[in-house]
Amino acid sequence: DAMVIQNPRYQVTQFGKPVTLSCSQTLNHNVMYWYQQKSSQAPKLLFHYYDKDFNNEADTPDNFQSRRPNTSFCFLDIRSPGLGDAAMYLCATSRALNSQQYFGPGTRLTVT
Amino acid sequence: DQQVKQNSPSLSVQEGRISILNCDYTNSMFDYFLWYKKYPAEGPTFLISISSIKDKNEDGRFTVFLNKSAKHLSLHIVPSQPGDSAVYFCAARDDKIIFGKGTRLHILP
Repeated sequence: DAMVIQNPRYQVTQFGKPVTLSCSQTLNHNVMYWYQQKSSQAPKLLFHYYDKDFNNEADTPDNFQSRRPNTSFCFLDIRSPGLGDAAMYLCATSRALNSQQYFGPGTRLTVT
Repeated sequence: DQQVKQNSPSLSVQEGRISILNCDYTNSMFDYFLWYKKYPAEGPTFLISISSIKDKNEDGRFTVFLNKSAKHLSLHIVPSQPGDSAVYFCAARDDKIIFGKGTRLHILP
C-alpha cells in the first residue's frame, strides 16, 4: 500500500508557466520534505515542513515555494520554471526531524 | 562542496559474489549514516543504517562498516542477488540528511 504518493508522476510545463506538484502521505508523519534530483546528482533538499513550520534551505531559489494545508498534503509550487528546473522532484516524510525518511516515487518535471 | 562522496558511479558484480559499495564523507559532525536503495521509477527506500558510535551493523545479507578515522563507510552485500541491481545512495546526518550521488549496482547472471 502506497504510503507517500506523488502526483503526477510525469509533468510537462512550459518555460515560465507556473506548475504545482503534489505529495500526500498516509503515515501521519510530522515532517514532509521536498528534494530536487537532477540526473546523476544527489537528491538536494529544497525545504521541509515540521507540522506547519516551514524551513527553507539557504540555497533554495525564491522561484520554489511550498504549501502544507494539512498533515497529509504538501505542495511544491514553481512560480516560473526555467529549463534548469527540469529534474526529478522527490517528496519524503518522517516521524521526527532526522528520523528515517520515507520517499514517494517522485515526479519527473520536463520544461519545454 | 560535496560532504558525502560516492566516487564509483557504477559497479558490476557476479551473482553470488560480494558487492562492496563505498562512501566517503568530510564532516566529522555526522552522527548517523544511512544507505538507501532505489529502483527505476521508484523513490529511494531505506536499507540499513549505522550510528557513529558503532563500527559495524549487520542485517541479513547487508552489512555496513564505518571507519571514523578514515571518514569512510562501506556497504557489503553477500551473496549478491539479481534483485540487488539498483542505485544505492549513501547518506549522512548532522542537522539534516545529506545524500551522495549514488552508485548503480549491476548484478550479472
